[in-house]
Amino acid sequence: GQNIDQPTEMTATEGAIVQINCTYQTSGFNGLFWYQQHAGEAPTFLSYNVLDGLEEKGRFSSFLSRSKGYSYLLLKELQMKDSASYLCAPMDSNYQLIWGAGTKLIIKP
Amino acid sequence: GAVVSQHPSWVICKSGTSVKIECRSLDFQATTMFWYRQFPKQSLMLMATSNEGSKATYEQGVEKDKFLINHASLTLSTLTVTSAHPEDSSFYICSARGLAGDGLRLYGSTDTQYFGPGTRLTVL
Repeated sequence: GQNIDQPTEMTATEGAIVQINCTYQTSGFNGLFWYQQHAGEAPTFLSYNVLDGLEEKGRFSSFLSRSKGYSYLLLKELQMKDSASYLCAPMDSNYQLIWGAGTKLIIKP
Repeated sequence: GAVVSQHPSWVICKSGTSVKIECRSLDFQATTMFWYRQFPKQSLMLMATSNEGSKATYEQGVEKDKFLINHASLTLSTLTVTSAHPEDSSFYICSARGLAGDGLRLYGSTDTQYFGPGTRLTVL
């Protein structure tokens, strides 16, 4: 079967760094996406990894290890507006995104 | 770049009526659009995949006669919830798949899904 494993909830302090881990199992693999979803809103695209390694984009970085079925999203210099759910979504052999429940990140002052 | 609009943003209707939701990709062409439904505190649930000019592919358990999808152009897809009932009340979100850029660089991939802002449907 296909599944995604992320922590349900994480808490971090404003200005700090947080790493959200994701392990996945899919039928085939065509890349992995990270999305941010604020409560009551639609997801917004953050990053895409298809090769192993780190992709950096401002305060956000995403890492992928295909052999381990593992990815993480690293958020630096946390701001209160970063409080949201973060969705790890691998793409399977049919180019369909597989969605889990995501990680709810709570930022405290 | 990569702007997807959705209209209306919210709608309240009586049981038994039909509701049409529009999804548009504003600055890129999307050969494929997706329709999702999300209940509170639950993950996104794919309802159907819509390809321009062809019939939509529905996920298992989604009634195609109840959720009518039309993808008439590369920038517009519509979802019509027919004979809506209270259990259809949910947050409906569309996404469009394509390559987007800001004129200087391209990001994501041709498989990146960009989401509309969603439509909150309440059926009384």
